[in-house]
Amino acid sequence: EVQLLEFGGGLVQRGGSLKVSCAASGFTFTSYAMKWVRQAPGKGLEWVSGITASGGSTYYADSVKGRFTISRDNSKNTLFLQMNSLRAEDTAVYYCAKTSGNYYEDAFDIWGHGTMVTVSS
Amino acid sequence: QSALTQPASVSGSPGQSIAISCTGTSSDVGNYNLVSWYQQHPGKAPKLIIYEVARRPSGVSGRFSGSKSGNTASLTISGLQAEDEADYYCCSYAGSSTFVFGTGTKVTVL
Repeated sequence: EVQLLEFGGGLVQRGGSLKVSCAASGFTFTSYAMKWVRQAPGKGLEWVSGITASGGSTYYADSVKGRFTISRDNSKNTLFLQMNSLRAEDTAVYYCAKTSGNYYEDAFDIWGHGTMVTVSS
Repeated sequence: QSALTQPASVSGSPGQSIAISCTGTSSDVGNYNLVSWYQQHPGKAPKLIIYEVARRPSGVSGRFSGSKSGNTASLTISGLQAEDEADYYCCSYAGSSTFVFGTGTKVTVL
């Protein structure tokens, strides 16, 4: 079964750091680009970051550029999101998502259950 | 990058058809055939129901269909069922390796 499992969320103070992870199983992790998408409480979805299959290229939304870093360990089938200088507006459920096809621009076909990150002020 | 514009809510009776619009710009929806739609039930992760404007993933009901004209994409749900009550989000590739989601639409089955 294709599965993504996020972990590492929690409560962090404003200005602090947190690293969330996403463990992949059931598919050839090294063949697919991966994305992070977040959803603030009661709000809509927001694309946060993406990384190519090899990990050689990374991309960010303007709202997190310079503060967040996406990475992956293809030997461990794991995706990461390092979040620094956290702000109250970063409070959200963070989902990892698999790209549906062979291209980075493809849709997100498999989603994890999400991990909650709460930034306290 | 501004969110794509969707109606906040759409409702219909069982068996009816409804349509949800998703309006972007010539930099996103209008420039790429890379619009996707996601269904999200309360407390659950989003589920892909349409990709590349009008293609359906395996296992998704044929009652869901997608289209695009200019800067506006649309999702149509035919033969509305109680289980279709959920939030729906469109998403478009926006160039420069970025993506933009829609504001979301709550579908209510009357």
